[in-house]
Amino acid sequence: SAVISQKPSRDICQRGTSLTIQCQVDSQVTMMFWYRQQPGQSLTLIATANQGSEATYESGFVIDKFPISRPNLTFSTLTVSNMSPEDSSIYLCSVEATRSYNEQFFGPGTRLTVL
Amino acid sequence: AQSVAQPEDQVNVAEGNPLTVKCTYSVSGNPYLFWYVQYPNRGLQFLLKYITGDNLVKGSYGFEAEFNKSQTSFHLKKPSALVSDSALYFCAVRDIGRGSTLGRLYFGRGTQLTVWP
Repeated sequence: SAVISQKPSRDICQRGTSLTIQCQVDSQVTMMFWYRQQPGQSLTLIATANQGSEATYESGFVIDKFPISRPNLTFSTLTVSNMSPEDSSIYLCSVEATRSYNEQFFGPGTRLTVL
Repeated sequence: AQSVAQPEDQVNVAEGNPLTVKCTYSVSGNPYLFWYVQYPNRGLQFLLKYITGDNLVKGSYGFEAEFNKSQTSFHLKKPSALVSDSALYFCAVRDIGRGSTLGRLYFGRGTQLTVWP
């Protein structure tokens, strides 16, 4: 299995500011994913981040709002830009471990509250 | 397109009784199906998966799931529930298409399981 850490674990931010969430994996992985879980809702994929290429965004999510970096095979960041209260969610990164094909492992999540 | 339905928002069961959390799916092609569990203030933990082979899949913490192709279902089960099983359970199906969507998971809306003593 892959061990994933996220920073920060939670934050309270003001409207109009930006927050960058970090995701660190203990092994090299090809595919990394960023999900959003709004209060009482299921998980929605924001984007897929593969090293060496630009992130692929799902319908309803755009790079200007959620820029993603993937500088190497163990690290990625997601920025939530120009935040509004509607961005209050849990943001989770996940990876597909090379040795556990078809299994995705999730980080503990970042709980974001926008005032 | 892939989709997953969890028809029950909540399931309540007494400790020691069997539990079932329902999941149905809609896919194009063969399904890759998963169950995840989310404890309060924690990320998702993988429970089990069905890719191919035996219809009854055994996973972590004594859970199992039965794949039923004719009913397009993948219900999660446990013979004897524990209070510690109380959590939010998600069923998911994997996109096995090509290109940029490969690997993404489509999640059901989740079922809150409560096991009371």
